[in-house]
Amino acid sequence: QPVLTQSSSASASLGSSVKLTCTLSSGHSSYIIAWHQQQPGKAPRYLMKIEGNGSYNRGSGVPDRFSGSSSGADRYLTISNLQSEDEADYYCETWDSDTQVFGGGTSLTVL
Amino acid sequence: QVQLQESGPGLVKPSETLSLTCTVSGGSISSNYWSWIRQPPGKGLEWVGYVPYSGSTTYNPSLKSRVIISVDTSKNQFSLRLSSVTAADTAVYYCARLQTGTISYWGQGTLVTVSS
Repeated sequence: QPVLTQSSSASASLGSSVKLTCTLSSGHSSYIIAWHQQQPGKAPRYLMKIEGNGSYNRGSGVPDRFSGSSSGADRYLTISNLQSEDEADYYCETWDSDTQVFGGGTSLTVL
Repeated sequence: QVQLQESGPGLVKPSETLSLTCTVSGGSISSNYWSWIRQPPGKGLEWVGYVPYSGSTTYNPSLKSRVIISVDTSKNQFSLRLSSVTAADTAVYYCARLQTGTISYWGQGTLVTVSS
């Protein structure tokens, strides 16, 4: 089954951009993944789905400051013009025929 | 807009069975797959299992012997039962809708504490 690897933390300044990475395990580099945002004390929120060719599809109401891309086994979430409300945990997710898998999450701090 | 709402007891005694229901509004449960995910306090997300509106369920192997997920299409609900709970099952439990494999909608979550 696939394994998703994320950095545990990241930080960036207000108004700048940040790129978060989710890496698929060997043999699973073509998999589609989803990104979810979890603000402190809240439920996760679906942000987007990213395919292996880099195309992505944002969820309803997700600002276009959030974009996705892909390179090999890496799936990226880029947040532009960082706002204070972007400070949150970000999880990537994928699935296989008999399992759903989450990455460990990246905690983003907006400085 | 699809909305999901979890309901059930917030406190369960050790060795008893945890029971939660997810009510789906704004869409029919008779499509897509439906999932339960949990998050222990201060930790990451853990998949519990998923069920299609009709067909067989799939469970996390680490929980498989204790979990049952079922669907009630007449009520537009799906449910989770987790037996023989311990303190390690204390978590916020989320229900969610899957679309082409990944989650597209989340419920608000409900905290379940296992304690005597």
